[in-house]
Amino acid sequence: SYVLTQPPSVSVAPGQTARITCGGNNIGSKSVHWYQQKPGQAPVRVVYDDSDRPSGIPERFSGSNSGNTATLTISRVEAGDEADYYCQVWDSSTDRLYVFGTGTKVTVL
Amino acid sequence: QVQLVQSGAEVKKPGSSVKVSCRASGGTFSSYPFSWVRQAPGQGLEWMGRIIPIFGTANYAQKFQGRVTITADESTTTAYMELSSLRSEDTAVYYCARGAAAGGINFDYWGQGTLVTVSS
Repeated sequence: SYVLTQPPSVSVAPGQTARITCGGNNIGSKSVHWYQQKPGQAPVRVVYDDSDRPSGIPERFSGSNSGNTATLTISRVEAGDEADYYCQVWDSSTDRLYVFGTGTKVTVL
Repeated sequence: QVQLVQSGAEVKKPGSSVKVSCRASGGTFSSYPFSWVRQAPGQGLEWMGRIIPIFGTANYAQKFQGRVTITADESTTTAYMELSSLRSEDTAVYYCARGAAAGGINFDYWGQGTLVTVSS
């Protein structure tokens, strides 16, 4: 089955840029979606189809995808961005249609 | 605005079953896929299965095949997830999530989550 690997944690100072990677075999051929989850809350989609932002999501959130790595970039990080972030792809080749990454905890220093 | 409202927390004994509901409002119900995703304490997100109400048939992750049943009631715009033969490892928050338009390959709306605790 398809596996998505993320770093367990990323630390960033306020105002700096956080980059969260999501590794998968030839992930560049798939559409990647990203979710933000704050403690005790449901996930919220922040990027879909590699680089599109839902309405209401700040432009500071952006995404890219190529080769074996997709990346979520958070520019001008704020304290409110501290959360867990998950990547996700659709994989119709197996029973596990929706595959989530292992998750990354972003800590704002 | 679409809202997914789930039923309340449950405490179950090992070996029993639990049924969690997810009522959708504010959008078209029948043609969107509705999935169930669970999250064990301190762990990541795990997809369990989904249903497209207008078709009525569900797809399940192999891990849960035989133990999970996902249904939908178009008249009440409510999706259900029933998990049987519960064990302690099933203790988790269970979320319903709507597949976004254009194929439903990601989730645009989520329920608030339902904590299911399995304990003797």
